[in-house]
Amino acid sequence: GAGVSQSPSNKVTEKGKDVELRCDPISGHTALYWYRQRLGQGLEFLIYFQGNSAPDKSGLPSDRFSAERTGESVSTLTIQRTQQEDSAVYLCASSFSESGELFFGEGSRLTVL
Amino acid sequence: KNQVEQSPQSLIILEGKNCTLQCNYTVSPFSNLRWYKQDTGRGPVSLTIMTFSENTKSNGRYTATLDADTKQSSLHITASQLSDSASYICVVSATGFQKLVFGTGTRLLVSP
Repeated sequence: GAGVSQSPSNKVTEKGKDVELRCDPISGHTALYWYRQRLGQGLEFLIYFQGNSAPDKSGLPSDRFSAERTGESVSTLTIQRTQQEDSAVYLCASSFSESGELFFGEGSRLTVL
Repeated sequence: KNQVEQSPQSLIILEGKNCTLQCNYTVSPFSNLRWYKQDTGRGPVSLTIMTFSENTKSNGRYTATLDADTKQSSLHITASQLSDSASYICVVSATGFQKLVFGTGTRLLVSP
């Protein structure tokens, strides 16, 4: 498609389970970002990819969070041993260049019971 | 510390009226400032991107201003419509690779 695609759009899981969230950026966009947005809150930066490398992982809240990107395309955000405080919308964005306009996906809403 | 503060937190206006949202930042070194519109349950959508040398930028009924000296920006919405109801997020980028600092947004409700 023409936009950033994220899946699943909604995920309900039990505390302690692992989850994987997927992001398909716009074709040709070298920069990819993950953000977390808790209910009623602003966006929190998680991680930034330039190509397949992650020069900035400073936003990952704990070692339970990891992300990878392959083929300078798809990215996966993995949360291990989920906790209730992980409940949020996880937004992915991509841009053609480091300083270019960001295009956001619709987000993956994660609910940890 | 790099910060972006927005005011007001929330705002209710009547359809057809104008409004102005404020953004103050302390991000340095400054690269650009962006305004995004986020409808409920959707991802943010870009309205404007302004660099250091730009003072004003318009996108339809949306006009953003930037004062790089005072580190302030505003987003003015003219002749508001019900569809303008959303959160408006100010985002400032520091130079170097794209480290974006997000404000917490202003929630605008346009009432009929």
